[in-house]
Amino acid sequence: AQSVTQLDSQVPVFEEAPVELRCNYSSSVSVYLFWYVQYPNQGLQLLLKYLSGSTLVESINGFEAEFNKSQTSFHLRKPSVHISDTAEYFCAVSGYNTDKLIFGTGTRLQVFP
Amino acid sequence: DAGVIQSPRHEVTEMGQEVTLRCKPISGHDYLFWYRQTMMRGLELLIYFNNNVPIDDSGMPEDRFSAKMPNASFSTLKIQPSEPRDSAVYFCASSLAYSNQPQHFGDGTRLSIL
Repeated sequence: AQSVTQLDSQVPVFEEAPVELRCNYSSSVSVYLFWYVQYPNQGLQLLLKYLSGSTLVESINGFEAEFNKSQTSFHLRKPSVHISDTAEYFCAVSGYNTDKLIFGTGTRLQVFP
Repeated sequence: DAGVIQSPRHEVTEMGQEVTLRCKPISGHDYLFWYRQTMMRGLELLIYFNNNVPIDDSGMPEDRFSAKMPNASFSTLKIQPSEPRDSAVYFCASSLAYSNQPQHFGDGTRLSIL
């Protein structure tokens, strides 16, 4: 079975500052890892995913995440945030040959001007 | 390219009434998932289907909840009778087969039971 821990429920940050949203997982098998973003009054949208290969994956809007197998982490980072990045971010994991995603409890990123 | 479509977007009804939420998955997707999101409990998986067959309904909170998928392009989640504690945002998501495929979410139904 898999589990996901997002330690930070809220992360306040000023515009143009860097940010890191933490995600740790546990699994007895190899995993696929995902970050989703949820804007107010919308469903979750895929931000980026790690399937295999390069451990550093990037999104089109400047976010990146690095898969660290030894630390069982998949932290999300952005070097300079915008007001429009204000949203809730969910980390999710699925094991090889499993049907469903296991979601973390989410981190609310609040960007202030 | 149409995404997952849910209806209605908002539903307000009185306690005891039957509520039916609807979902049209992305064409060609093999899996359909129903989630519930609340402030207190976060995002909870209620039930999911593979090729229209329910695979795991262990997240369905009570017998008052039921879900069906009569064909590949339509699913319903029904609550009968509804209670105030059922108030939440209900999401439907679909995906292709294989665990490396992301889920695509609808915009949700915001349900308020008075």
